[in-house]
Amino acid sequence: GNSVTQMEGPVTLSEEAFLTINCTYTATGYPSLFWYVQYPGEGLQLLLKATKADDKGSNKGFEATYRKETTSFHLEKGSVQVSDSAVYFCALSDSGNTPLVFGKGTRLSVIA
Amino acid sequence: NAGVTQTPKFQVLKTGQSMTLQCAQDMNHEYMSWYRQDPGMGLRLIHYSVGAGITDQGEVPNGYNVSRSTTEDFPLRLLSAAPSQTSVYFCASSPPLGWTQPYEQYFGPGTRLTVT
Repeated sequence: GNSVTQMEGPVTLSEEAFLTINCTYTATGYPSLFWYVQYPGEGLQLLLKATKADDKGSNKGFEATYRKETTSFHLEKGSVQVSDSAVYFCALSDSGNTPLVFGKGTRLSVIA
Repeated sequence: NAGVTQTPKFQVLKTGQSMTLQCAQDMNHEYMSWYRQDPGMGLRLIHYSVGAGITDQGEVPNGYNVSRSTTEDFPLRLLSAAPSQTSVYFCASSPPLGWTQPYEQYFGPGTRLTVT
């Protein structure tokens, strides 16, 4: 079945550091890939997405590129801020309105 | 639009009690789902629905019932609460295939449930 594996946290960075959170997937067919973010005490919200190979999703300074050859969708940001402290989830969805499959989440803490 | 709303925000139950977690969306989304979030486990799918009158089981359906009588509402029922059901519950919805934002799911704020 489909699955998502993302790096375990917690990840602690200083402000303005470079961020990478690794995500790899296993899926049949050509899934859509997502990064969701969960700020403390809130629900999940979509951060970015990519629906086909080589697509780059970007939002709020975060980027991730859909790499079919390595089945990866790593999240990157060049300079993190304290306000980026949250839990980040990588997810995939097969064709159509099939359920999202989530990774276990990576907690990021950014210190000033 | 209010988006996806969930009630209550917090609930404490005793073992064996029953209750219903409410979820509603005002975006005319056909697809709705329930997840539970536990530390170190990510989000696990409980039940989902692709439209009114249609529901299906997810990864962890035992102990939960759902129904979908309208497009807007998707309540989750705990028949006899157990401590293992202590968790944070999220409802989500998404538009049907072909809309401008395919596959994206919109999440509610969550219900934090404690079973003692």
